[in-house]
Amino acid sequence: RKEVEQDPGPFNVPEGATVAFNCTYSNSASQSFFWYRQDCRKEPKLLMSVYSSGNEDGRFTAQLNRASQYISLLIRDSKLSDSATYLCVVGFQKLVFGTGTRLLVSP
Amino acid sequence: NAGVTQTPKFRVLKTGQSMTLLCAQDMNHEYMYWYRQDPGMGLRLIHYSVGEGTTAKGEVPDGYNVSRLKKQNFLLGLESAAPSQTSVYFCASREQGPTNTEAFFGQGTRLTVV
Repeated sequence: RKEVEQDPGPFNVPEGATVAFNCTYSNSASQSFFWYRQDCRKEPKLLMSVYSSGNEDGRFTAQLNRASQYISLLIRDSKLSDSATYLCVVGFQKLVFGTGTRLLVSP
Repeated sequence: NAGVTQTPKFRVLKTGQSMTLLCAQDMNHEYMYWYRQDPGMGLRLIHYSVGEGTTAKGEVPDGYNVSRLKKQNFLLGLESAAPSQTSVYFCASREQGPTNTEAFFGQGTRLTVV
């Protein structure tokens, strides 16, 4: 079993839609949780960190459920520019990536 | 403001050749990482380091060696390249500290082994 698992998608949604991604992890000792965004095999860039209390950044909301060992990302009012691959990252000193979920937002 | 710099950016190797990929960071970060990315596979951790002089294995360490002789540099070596090592390699660095410190990535090295 992979340490971090994501649905690879693709998720095809129209502009303005709300879309949610989930990610599960197997190491209960993990303390660091992130969502990264990657465009066209360029280097990944931080979208947002994920905290136990949940956190929001504009149209993006991330949540962590330690008991069930999953994190989620909610994107509201999708834009064309949101089309990318979203990578779930979990760990502490060691950081492990999920395979990524591809999002395609269409006009 | 260089951040994380990877050298080289592109390379073609013949099977059996050796090479070293260099990752340099100017942010005084303690943690450094090497990942490879193949189509449909996401980023897979090869090796990582939590400080100068230390290294540890990741998910896919076989066929690679690393060294962290200086805090700012993390070298990835391929002793005898194989076609299965054709991939995009990303290096990252990260500050030690509160748990959710951001990892910053280099622009990647595209390696082809023929």
